[in-house]
Amino acid sequence: DAGITQSPRHKVTETGTPVTLRCHQTENHRYMYWYRQDPGHGLRLIHYSYGVKDTDKGEVSDGYSVSRSKTEDFLLTLESATSSQTSVYFCAISVQGWDYGYTFGSGTRLTVV
Amino acid sequence: GENVEQHPSTLSVQEGDSAVIKCTYSDSASNYFPWYKQELGKRPQLIIDIRSNVGEKKDQRIAVTLNKTAKHFSLHITETQPEDSAVYFCAASIKGGGADGLTFGKGTHLIIQP
Repeated sequence: DAGITQSPRHKVTETGTPVTLRCHQTENHRYMYWYRQDPGHGLRLIHYSYGVKDTDKGEVSDGYSVSRSKTEDFLLTLESATSSQTSVYFCAISVQGWDYGYTFGSGTRLTVV
Repeated sequence: GENVEQHPSTLSVQEGDSAVIKCTYSDSASNYFPWYKQELGKRPQLIIDIRSNVGEKKDQRIAVTLNKTAKHFSLHITETQPEDSAVYFCAASIKGGGADGLTFGKGTHLIIQP
């Protein structure tokens, strides 16, 4: 699916530790997004990027940072993981632009203990 | 920012019957409305979308309708089959205000009863 991969697929980490999730795409699409999915909340936007070094905050950005030093990679960092950040994290790319359909990665299931 | 409300949260229908899921949005500037299907343990996948200059779009058994005046749009699935069982999400496009992209509804769990 549009060459998008997320790593790791699963991770368990301890409260207070930093965690970095990676999203990699192979087709040089400009727009990339990080969402978290929680029961009863649907998909909520954490951060997004519209190009190298161009990133912005979404609805639930507190406690998260992102970086995009190359077109193909969009990294999500939890500076100091908390139990409330236990979630499934999806990366998405927009093939044609910000107001077109997304292709999602397979997701990362993160558990903070 | 945009707010998308989705109803119902759970919908159970008999196989072969129709299913309708409804969403409302708050920002009249939104112009793109996709629907995603997510099977258990899988990623969300785009199944159909509609733009604000179109009132209805159909693709085989699924259709989407849009009422711009009322700011609501709906997903219609006819002749439901067991493989239609999944969680469905609606979304609306937003731009500016700190987020260029899609705001999603909270999802509808569609259950197809045999």
